[in-house]
Amino acid sequence: TQLLEQSPQFLSIQEGENLTVYCNSSSVFSSLQWYRQEPGEGPVLLVTVVTGGEVKKLKRLTFQFGDARKDSSLHITAAQPGDTGLYLCAGAETGNQFYFGTGTSLTVIP
Amino acid sequence: DSGVTQTPKHLITATGQRVTLRCSPRSGDLSVYWYQQSLDQGLQFLIQYYNGEERAKGNILERFSAQQFPDLHSELNLSSLELGDSALYFCASSLRGLGGELFFGEGSRLTVL
Repeated sequence: TQLLEQSPQFLSIQEGENLTVYCNSSSVFSSLQWYRQEPGEGPVLLVTVVTGGEVKKLKRLTFQFGDARKDSSLHITAAQPGDTGLYLCAGAETGNQFYFGTGTSLTVIP
Repeated sequence: DSGVTQTPKHLITATGQRVTLRCSPRSGDLSVYWYQQSLDQGLQFLIQYYNGEERAKGNILERFSAQQFPDLHSELNLSSLELGDSALYFCASSLRGLGGELFFGEGSRLTVL
């Protein structure tokens, strides 16, 4: 079982602030995904990254895959209340299933 | 709406009992995954089926079992329930057997009293 640690575990910020969430592991991943989960719902895929050093942008969200493919970060610019939720990273070693990180619970206060 | 349907949404039962959770995957998806989500353990991978056959096993207890039927729906059976089994159980489906996007259902919340 892969261990993916996310930090911080909890984050509460004011609307308009920027934030970064980290996902770290000792394992090398063939691909890594980020999901967002809202209360009462299942996780929903935000992005998949597969190349070391890859950067993907989704509106105000920027995702980066580490050069060694062991870590990833999610940066949100000018956070909005609609960004509130549980952010989960999920990594897969080659040929294996995706294992999820410990999660970061984000609250954006209006 | 992800297209993945899970039933029941809520279930309350007693220790020692057995329950069955049901999942219908998105139309066309061949893989079904089961995950357990609790406050202290996060989202734990239990088991995966692909086109009717077990594909991968994660942290699934021996008291738990699953299967995928010819129509691709899946059931997760939890027996000899303990208080610690209280959790959200998610089913996810994907088109392929490895990788790709997982589409999650809304989960089944199990409470064991």
